[in-house]
Amino acid sequence: EAGVAQSPRYKIIEKRQSVAFWCNPISGHATLYWYQQILGQGPKLLIQFQNNGVVDDSQLPKDRFSAERLKGVDSTLKIQPAKLEDSAVYLCASSLGLPTYEQYFGPGTRLTVT
Amino acid sequence: QKEVEQNSGPLSVPEGAIASLNCTYSDRGSQSFFWYRQYSGKSPELIMSIYSNGDKEDGRFTAQLNKASQYVSLLIRDSQPSDSATYLCAGLTGGGNKLTFGTGTQLKVEL
Repeated sequence: EAGVAQSPRYKIIEKRQSVAFWCNPISGHATLYWYQQILGQGPKLLIQFQNNGVVDDSQLPKDRFSAERLKGVDSTLKIQPAKLEDSAVYLCASSLGLPTYEQYFGPGTRLTVT
Repeated sequence: QKEVEQNSGPLSVPEGAIASLNCTYSDRGSQSFFWYRQYSGKSPELIMSIYSNGDKEDGRFTAQLNKASQYVSLLIRDSQPSDSATYLCAGLTGGGNKLTFGTGTQLKVEL
């Protein structure tokens, strides 16, 4: 079974530029998550989708971050404009939900904002 | 108070010893807990899930959950150098399917 796919793996941009990340979840997983992981910290949830709908985006900086999940499969996360503090690894995870709620992570995208 | 707390370590154990990793949580509504292993530069990998009080064993790993004390632990028996990684504890909070992570404990298994 293929795992969660993400691209690109690495991205370097200058502050105030925009960037987009792509995620393809495990086949059949209805729930998709985007996390931000800053060095030395645990992943922090940015947004959670259930099929096409947003379940939780309470920690998404909506003035600069946006995300969508069209057709309930692939998802994109965008940052515009980027700030230095956005330098982090952006992780996508997916889950079947009930009964275990186990989440499986993709390889992540390491973003460096200069 | 953080929802899920872990000692950042590093925790150093000799090869072949038992490594004990601990985690406490504040949300009494949390029902399910997960341990992830994260190697440097890699993404988290799920290694154990535990849903009820008591112990759950899988190979060299044992997860323990004590809901009364709001305490979760992971034991790694016969520790190997390849077990050297950061171990993240996570609990399902927010009424169902929101995963909240601790900051992770770095484990070093020394030859």
